[in-house]
Amino acid sequence: AQSVAQPEDQVNVAEGNPLTVKCTYSVSGNPYLFWYVQYPNRGLQFLLKYITGDNLVKGSYGFEAEFNKSQTSFHLKKPSALVSDSALYFCAVIDVQGAQKLVFGQGTRLTINP
Amino acid sequence: GAGVSQSPRYKVAKRGQDVALRCDPISGHVSLFWYQQALGQGPEFLTYFQNEAQLDKSGLPSDRFFAERPEGSVSTLKIQRTQQEDSAVYLCASSLGGDWRYGYTFGSGTRLTVV
Repeated sequence: AQSVAQPEDQVNVAEGNPLTVKCTYSVSGNPYLFWYVQYPNRGLQFLLKYITGDNLVKGSYGFEAEFNKSQTSFHLKKPSALVSDSALYFCAVIDVQGAQKLVFGQGTRLTINP
Repeated sequence: GAGVSQSPRYKVAKRGQDVALRCDPISGHVSLFWYQQALGQGPEFLTYFQNEAQLDKSGLPSDRFFAERPEGSVSTLKIQRTQQEDSAVYLCASSLGGDWRYGYTFGSGTRLTVV
């Protein structure tokens, strides 16, 4: 079964510093990986996805993610954090069998301190 | 509409009550998903429709949960005899086609609290 894991429940970063939110995956077949962000009382918003090709994927709001096959990781990164980046971040993988549903990690709460 | 709309935004139910949660997907979107997000957890798949056909209901936690999409647009998730463990945010997502490459748009969710 496809799964992702986010080893950190919470990440705190000072504004202006680089940030990393970690994700590792376990899949059979090719990994199709996603990052979503959730602000309070809002739905999940798509940030970026990896299908194939370049290991560095660029997405919305200045975020990028690095796909590493040997480490089975897909970490989310941003060179310079903003206070407005504070939110809940979810890594997800597509289960391509049947419904092609998203399988989510447990989430990481990112707090950017001014 | 411009996005996926869910109603109500908040629902408080007494244990044992029946509830109905509504999802209005983006017009023309073929695929519709329901997810359950417990506090402090990631969303978990409940069920999937392609047009009016419910193709996967493997995530429904018990036979108290029932979903329908009779005309292939609006969907309703019904929970009978609610229990405290049903307290969660219920998210709806829709997609233009039947392939994940079309991407998914999520609604803001319905927060259900069972007291």
